[in-house]
Amino acid sequence: AQSVTQLDSQVPVFEEAPVELRCNYSSSVSVYLFWYVQYPNQGLQLLLKYLSGSTLVKGINGFEAEFNKSQTSFHLRKPSVHISDTAEYFCAVSEPGGSYIPTFGRGTSLIVHP
Amino acid sequence: DGGITQSPKYLFRKEGQNVTLSCEQNLNHDAMYWYRQDPGQGLRLIYYSQIVNDFQKGDIAEGYSVSREKKESFPLTVTSAQKNPTAFYLCASSIIGQGENTGELFFGEGSRLTVL
Repeated sequence: AQSVTQLDSQVPVFEEAPVELRCNYSSSVSVYLFWYVQYPNQGLQLLLKYLSGSTLVKGINGFEAEFNKSQTSFHLRKPSVHISDTAEYFCAVSEPGGSYIPTFGRGTSLIVHP
Repeated sequence: DGGITQSPKYLFRKEGQNVTLSCEQNLNHDAMYWYRQDPGQGLRLIYYSQIVNDFQKGDIAEGYSVSREKKESFPLTVTSAQKNPTAFYLCASSIIGQGENTGELFFGEGSRLTVL
């Protein structure tokens, strides 16, 4: 069975500082990995995804993530955050060839201070 | 524009009442899902459907029911048997199998249910 651990429930950071949101997964097979963002009282939207190929994945709004198979991680990074990046971020994993239904982490609240 | 529409956005219910949340998609996706979101608990799968007239229980199906009579529609009923129904409910859809959007879920804006 697949599972996802987001190690930080809340990450405070100052505007224009870099940020990393951590995600580790467990799965017995190959995986697809996703990061979603949720603004208050809204649904989730996809930031980026890893299906195969290059382990460095670039997404929207200047975010990127790196797939590390040996460490079973998929950490999300941004070199300089804005106030507008304040939101909840969810990591998710699914198994190709199966039901494709993703398992979500508990989320990390990114709080950007001026 | 293609997307997923959930209604109502906010809903209040008295204890003991059933309530139905609507979810419609025009993305021509085969699969549809209902998730429940509570603070600090992430998203928990209630039900999902991969084909019309068929659906499967997720991790927390007790106290909920669904139907899939049309490809575009996947309504969720929160019954009086659900002991703690106050939550944010999210509907999503996806393709099945390989394609440009493999594995990606497309979400609606959510419905917030409050039981008084």
